[in-house]
Amino acid sequence: NADVMQNPRHLVRRRGQEARLRCSPMKGHSHVYWYRQLPEEGLKFMVYLQKENIIDESGMPKERFSAEFPKEGPSILRIQQVVRGDSAAYFCASSPTGTDFYEQYFGPGTRLTVT
Amino acid sequence: AQSVTQLGSHVSVSEGALVLLRCNYSSSVPPYLFWYVQYPNQGLQLLLKYTSAATLVKGINGFEAEFKKSETSFHLTKPSAHMSDAAEYFCAVSDTGGFKTIFGAGTRLFVKA
Repeated sequence: NADVMQNPRHLVRRRGQEARLRCSPMKGHSHVYWYRQLPEEGLKFMVYLQKENIIDESGMPKERFSAEFPKEGPSILRIQQVVRGDSAAYFCASSPTGTDFYEQYFGPGTRLTVT
Repeated sequence: AQSVTQLGSHVSVSEGALVLLRCNYSSSVPPYLFWYVQYPNQGLQLLLKYTSAATLVKGINGFEAEFKKSETSFHLTKPSAHMSDAAEYFCAVSDTGGFKTIFGAGTRLFVKA
């Protein structure tokens, strides 16, 4: 499958639980980005990763949130001790290396609901 | 710092009418500019992009946008709206490093029969 894959598509967690969101980039893409979209708002940049490296995490809350993109396997966005305010759609995007590095391809998103 | 302002959170047009979605940007360096479309419960799909080549950019589904540096604008147009164009549209800017893309708040397009 050539598309950016995200799973799960929907995730329900109780307050205080952990949420793990997964993203498999397009084949051949080595750049991964995570964005958060709150209802009726645009996408907010969270973090940019390359394989085994966090390049820019300036948009990610300092506490409870972490991201990784290991050498093997998908990128993971982890939210510990979720709160109601974490309820949002989380989108992953990937981009290739080379001259089209700026062109981001988005996954379908994971919709997190915290109850 | 870069920013994007989309004028009008909701735009309504009749089928067959001109679509005009407005976007103004702020960037201290030559920008890359993008328009994305999002259908309900889906991810974003790239409509078109400006990367310092031709100022008039043509995209998919009959959309085009014109980069106007003097006006710091990148408005999206389509000559004739179709019902299937009803969606949310996002303008975005990144610097020539391209790593961090800033999105506007979005404009929801309604198309009336």
